[in-house]
Amino acid sequence: KNQVEQSPQSLIILEGKNCTLQCNYTVSPFSNLRWYKQDTGRGPVSLTIMTFSENTKSNGRYTATLDADTKQSSLHITASQLSDSASYICVVSAASGTYKYIFGTGTRLKVLA
Amino acid sequence: SQTIHQWPATLVQPVGSPLSLECTVEGTSNPNLYWYRQAAGRGLQLLFYSIGIDQISSEVPQNLSASRPQDRQFILSSKKLLLSDSGFYLCAWSGLAVGELFFGEGSRLTVL
Repeated sequence: KNQVEQSPQSLIILEGKNCTLQCNYTVSPFSNLRWYKQDTGRGPVSLTIMTFSENTKSNGRYTATLDADTKQSSLHITASQLSDSASYICVVSAASGTYKYIFGTGTRLKVLA
Repeated sequence: SQTIHQWPATLVQPVGSPLSLECTVEGTSNPNLYWYRQAAGRGLQLLFYSIGIDQISSEVPQNLSASRPQDRQFILSSKKLLLSDSGFYLCAWSGLAVGELFFGEGSRLTVL
C-alpha cells in the first residue's frame, strides 16, 4: 500500500534554532517527492521537488534531502524564524498516468520568540 | 504566470442545503484539476480529479460531485450537505511536466 509517514507530528523550537523534519514513504513506482509549507487556513505552497536522481535541494533556509534506497526524505530548516511556524507536508508522486499524489499528515512546527 | 483562484473562502451552511465551490486556473491550458478535503489534523484526501473536460474521476464515494464546465474551471457541488462534509477544501492543478501540484487558497466549509 502506498503510504507517506511524517515525524514528528509536532515540534516546538526557539527562534534561530535549526530543525529537521522526517518523511518515510512506501510508494512504488516512485516519481518524485515534494515538501510543502501550509500556513494555518491557507493552501499549501511548494518548497522543493525532487526526483529519484536528486539527493539534495535547497530553497533559501530550507534544504531537502532524498535517499531513494531507504525511501526517506528530510527537510532541514536553518536559523528558524517566527514565520516558519506552519505545517510541513511531504507529498510523494506515484509514476502513473493519473498523477497520483500520496500525502503525509504533516508536521506542525511552532517557532517561539 | 499561472494562478489558481478558489472561492468562497469561507462558507457556513445548514445541514441539507446545497453546496457549490468554484475553482479557476489562469495562464495554462489543459490542466489536471483536483479537489481535496483536509480534516483537522489529518492529511489531504483526494475527492475528485479531472484530466480533461468530461473526464472526472471520483476517489471517495460520498454525497459530493464535481463538474468541469470549461477547461480551466472545476466545481465541487452537493445537493444536500451533511455535518460530516465540514472541512477545508482545496482545489489544485498540475501540468504535464514532472507533475508539480499547485494549490488554491482553500475554502473553509462549516455545516451546522
